[in-house]
Amino acid sequence: EVQLVESGGGLVQPGGSLRLSCAAFGFTLNNHWMNWVRRAPGKGLEWVAQIKEGGREIYHLDSVKGRFAISRDDARNSVYLQMNSLRVEDTAVYYCARERGDLWGQGTLVAVSS
Amino acid sequence: VVMTQSPLSLPVTLGQPASIFCSSSQSLVYSDGDTYLSWYHQRPGQSPRRLIHKVFNRDPGVPDRFSGSGSGTDFTLKISRVEAEDVGVYYCMHSINWPWTFGQGTKVDI
Repeated sequence: EVQLVESGGGLVQPGGSLRLSCAAFGFTLNNHWMNWVRRAPGKGLEWVAQIKEGGREIYHLDSVKGRFAISRDDARNSVYLQMNSLRVEDTAVYYCARERGDLWGQGTLVAVSS
Repeated sequence: VVMTQSPLSLPVTLGQPASIFCSSSQSLVYSDGDTYLSWYHQRPGQSPRRLIHKVFNRDPGVPDRFSGSGSGTDFTLKISRVEAEDVGVYYCMHSINWPWTFGQGTKVDI
C-alpha cells in the first residue's frame, strides 16, 4: 500500500528540539518533492518546508527559517524535519505530504508548552 | 500570494448543490502554462485529501459530484449534490511559487 507514516512528535518545552520522521511505503521517494505541512489548533493549514529531488532545492516558511531544517535520506526512503528553538506557536499536527499534496501521512502532534 | 476563500462557513442541505469560492492575489498561471490551484478536504481527525488539482482535474477516487472551475485569479469548487460524508473543512491552495499558501478554509456542515 502506498502511504506515508510520520513519527517523532510529542510534548516539549519552549526552546526545546524535536526531530520528525516521515517514512514512505509502496513507492520510491527519490523521484519526488517532499513537504511538511502543519495545522495548529483552531487554525488552517500551513506549508512549512519543502525539499526537491536529491535536495537540489530547499524551502522553509519565513517563521521557521533558522530554526527548522528539512532533509531527506533516499536510501532510507525517509524525510525529516529537525525542529529547534521551538515556540508555543509551533504547536500543531505536522503532516508529511508528497509533491503538490497528492499523498499525505496521518500526522504527528507536536505540543510546545511549559 | 494571498488566497481568500468565501464563505468561511457553509451550511448545506443533503442532496442540494454547494459552491465554495477562492481568489488569489496574483495570477496562478505558471510559466509552463498550467494553473496551479488545488482543492483539499479535511474531515475532523483526519489528514487532508486532495480533491482537485490544476483547477479542474479530479484526483483518483474522488466522486464526480466534485468539480473545479476558474482561471487566472478566481476559482470555484462545486459539489453537485451534497452527501453526509462531505462535511469538514475545504481549502484552496496555490503552488506556483514559495511559499505555497492555503485559503482560510471553508467549514461545511449539514
